[in-house]
Amino acid sequence: EAGVVQSPRYKIIEKKQPVAFWCNPISGHNTLYWYLQNLGQGPELLIRYENEEAVDDSQLPKDRFSAERLKGVDSTLKIQPAELGDSAVYLCASSPGTSGGASTDTQYFGPGTRLTVL
Amino acid sequence: GNSVTQMEGPVTLSEEAFLTINCTYTATGYPSLFWYVQYPGEGLQLLLKATKADDKGSNKGFEATYRKETTSFHLEKGSVQVSDSAVYFCALSYNDYKLSFGAGTTVTVRA
Repeated sequence: EAGVVQSPRYKIIEKKQPVAFWCNPISGHNTLYWYLQNLGQGPELLIRYENEEAVDDSQLPKDRFSAERLKGVDSTLKIQPAELGDSAVYLCASSPGTSGGASTDTQYFGPGTRLTVL
Repeated sequence: GNSVTQMEGPVTLSEEAFLTINCTYTATGYPSLFWYVQYPGEGLQLLLKATKADDKGSNKGFEATYRKETTSFHLEKGSVQVSDSAVYFCALSYNDYKLSFGAGTTVTVRA
């Protein structure tokens, strides 16, 4: 079974430029997450999708960040314009959405996109 | 809010040594607890999990027991190998699907 796929793996841009990250979750997984991981820290949730609906975007900086999950499969996370402080690893994860409840649902992570803003 | 505190690193060990990484949590109810591992150049992988008190998660020689009385989920391995060198993250999940991670502990095993 293929895992979560993300692209690109690395991205270097100048500040104020736009950037987009793409994620393809594990087949059949209805729930998709975007996390931000700063250097030396654990990941922090940005947004969670149930199918095509963003059900938790409370941590997404909406002035510059946006995300979409058209058709409830692939997802794109965009930053426009990028700032120096956005340099980090952006992780995508997916989970099947088990009947056992939210807390027991295992999340599977992609390799991440490492963004460097110059 | 719900949070996890894990032992700061880095931790450096010799092969075959015993490894413990401490993790304690704060939660309003009974969360599920996880250990994720990040090998160099790779993404986060689930190592083990426990979903209720006194459960023991185990995988690849690693174990962790969900202790409600001490709000802990310490990770242990009896004999580490060089291939266990990685960053280990403790995490919890409650009713909102969000994983709350600790800061990570970098473990280096020397031959």
